Amino acid sequence: ILNVEQSPQSLHVQEGDSTNFTCSFPSSNFYALHWYRWETAKSPEALFVMTLNGDEKKKGRISATLNTKEGYSYLYIKGSQPEDSATYLCAFQIDSLQGGKLIFGQGTELSVKP
Amino acid sequence: NAGVTQTPKFQVLKTGQSMTLQCAQDMNHEYMSWYRQDPGMGLRLIHYSVGAGITDQGEVPNGYNVSRSTTEDFPLRLLSAAPSQTSVYFCASRALIGFPPRYEQYFGPGTRLTVT
Repeated sequence: ILNVEQSPQSLHVQEGDSTNFTCSFPSSNFYALHWYRWETAKSPEALFVMTLNGDEKKKGRISATLNTKEGYSYLYIKGSQPEDSATYLCAFQIDSLQGGKLIFGQGTELSVKP
Repeated sequence: NAGVTQTPKFQVLKTGQSMTLQCAQDMNHEYMSWYRQDPGMGLRLIHYSVGAGITDQGEVPNGYNVSRSTTEDFPLRLLSAAPSQTSVYFCASRALIGFPPRYEQYFGPGTRLTVT
């Protein structure tokens, strides 16, 4: 059974704090690692897709790193704002003949207080 | 482009009833999938399709059927609804982009289903 773990499950920070959370995934059969941002009552929106060990991606104040050898990815948010409040999902894409299924973690719920 | 659309947004069923959740995309994506989202469980894959006429099971397929007669549509059928199928259902489609090739996945707005 392939398991994707995210930690922490929830995080409460003050506006302006920087924060980071972790996605752990199997180090074998890796094809890609996806990060999604999921606001309440909306559908998940793609943030990053990373494929190579050592990949770093950045979008505004949000960045992500990837270590495929040890099976983890970090998502960083610099200077958190209330609008960053959301659940952040990671998904491990299997390198398989079955069309590259995504296995999702349970998410990290971020709450940013003004 | 409308992206990925789902209907209905909300549905209440009685145990034993059947229904079809509709999903459509106008991006000409070959890969489509259905997920269910339950508290503490994350998103779990129900069924997926890699193209018209081709479907396969995901992690939690029992109690659901799918078909893919066109590229655009991927309906999910509940054969005999059970309270355990109370969930939020998301349809998604995916495109292969870039080099090395990677998927970018787009989600529909979700269908909230309650089975009493």
